[in-house]
Parts: sequence; structure tokens; C-alpha cells
Amino acid sequence: KAGVTQTPRYLIKTRGQQVTLSCSPISGHRSVSWYQQTPGQGLQFLFEYFSETQRNKGNFPGRFSGRQFSNSRSEMNVSTLELGDSALYLCASSSWGARPGANVLTFGAGSRLTVL
Amino acid sequence: EDKVVQSPLSLVVHEGDTVTLNCSYEVTNFRSLLWYKQEKKAPTFLFMLTSSGIEKKSGRLSSILDKKELSSILNITATQTGDSAIYLCAVVGHYGQNFVFGPGTRLSVLP
Repeated sequence: KAGVTQTPRYLIKTRGQQVTLSCSPISGHRSVSWYQQTPGQGLQFLFEYFSETQRNKGNFPGRFSGRQFSNSRSEMNVSTLELGDSALYLCASSSWGARPGANVLTFGAGSRLTVL
Repeated sequence: EDKVVQSPLSLVVHEGDTVTLNCSYEVTNFRSLLWYKQEKKAPTFLFMLTSSGIEKKSGRLSSILDKKELSSILNITATQTGDSAIYLCAVVGHYGQNFVFGPGTRLSVLP
């Protein structure tokens, strides 16, 4: 069973640009969550999608947005990049319910964004 | 607002030592508490705890939940250099399904 796949793994952008990150969840997982990880702030929740609907959103500005497609793949977009957006962006997928392995986040390897 | 606190934030030990990592939480309608290990990239799942007093064990790692005290501990016995990592604690409620993570404990095991 393939894991969570994130692309690209590394990218460098300059201030003011925008970036799109992609996440393919584990097959059968309909929930996809995004987190930003920085040394000072730890893992901060961005948003969660389930069946193409955003169910939860963290305390991030509107420059951060996302979407989920019918095949559960998800993208997140950051517009007008700032230096402080430099971080590791982690995507995680999960299934919910009573089956073994449910209700656990499985993370991808992350996309490391550097903003210059 | 849901919150997770971990202590210590950083810990340095020598191989063979036993360590205890702490996690305390505040969450609405608690569903479960999870422990993850993060080395260089993605956090990897260790344990999920939902009931008080039931120890989960995997090799040298074990964890237990105390719902009365709103806390959990993660024990690692006979530490090895490969245990060096950030250990993350997360909680999730029944209504919301948004995992809230603590700041993590950075464990360094010296040879």
C-alpha cells in the first residue's frame, strides 16, 4: 500500500511569488490534513479536507488556501509569499471509523519551502 | 481552545538510560491521544491511546493515558542512539477531527 506522497519535496521561491503543493493520500483515505512545521512554532494545523469539503481551518491568513479533488488528492496554495512562510509543509491522510488503522494521521515526507 | 503541552522540551541522555516524556492536554470531547516520532522528515506513528490505565507497548517503548489527570507518558527503556528524535504528542476530539499537536520533546541519546 503506497504511503502519502507529497510533491515537490523542495522548492525555493522569492517574496511575493505563489506556490502550490500537492498531496496524494493513501488509497481509500478520504481525509487530508495540512500542517506547517517550523522550529519555533512546531506543527501548526492549516486545514483539513474530507470528500472535497474543507471541514476545519487553522489560524492562518487567507493567503493560505487548499482544495481537494474527487480522487482525494489535495493541493495547498500560498500566495504572496513572505519570508516567514519558509517551513516544512506536511500533509497527512486518515480514515475514520472503527476499522484497524483508522483515526490515525499518516504523514507524507513533506515539502520544504524556502522563501528568499 | 484545544491545547497540548509537552515536557521536557529537550532532553539529553546516554545510551542505556530510561526516559519518561510527558504530555498534558486540554481538548473538547476527548477521543484519543497519539504519540509520534519524528527523525528527519515525516512523523511516524507510535501509539494511539483512548482508555485510561491501559499500557500500550512496542519493544522498549511504552505509553499510558491518565484521563483523570488529562495526561500521558511515553517511556523508553535502554535508550539507543537511534531513539534520538522529536517525540510529538497529539490529541483529537470527537467533534472536529482536527489533531492538535504539542511542541514536541527533542530527545538526544549520546553513545
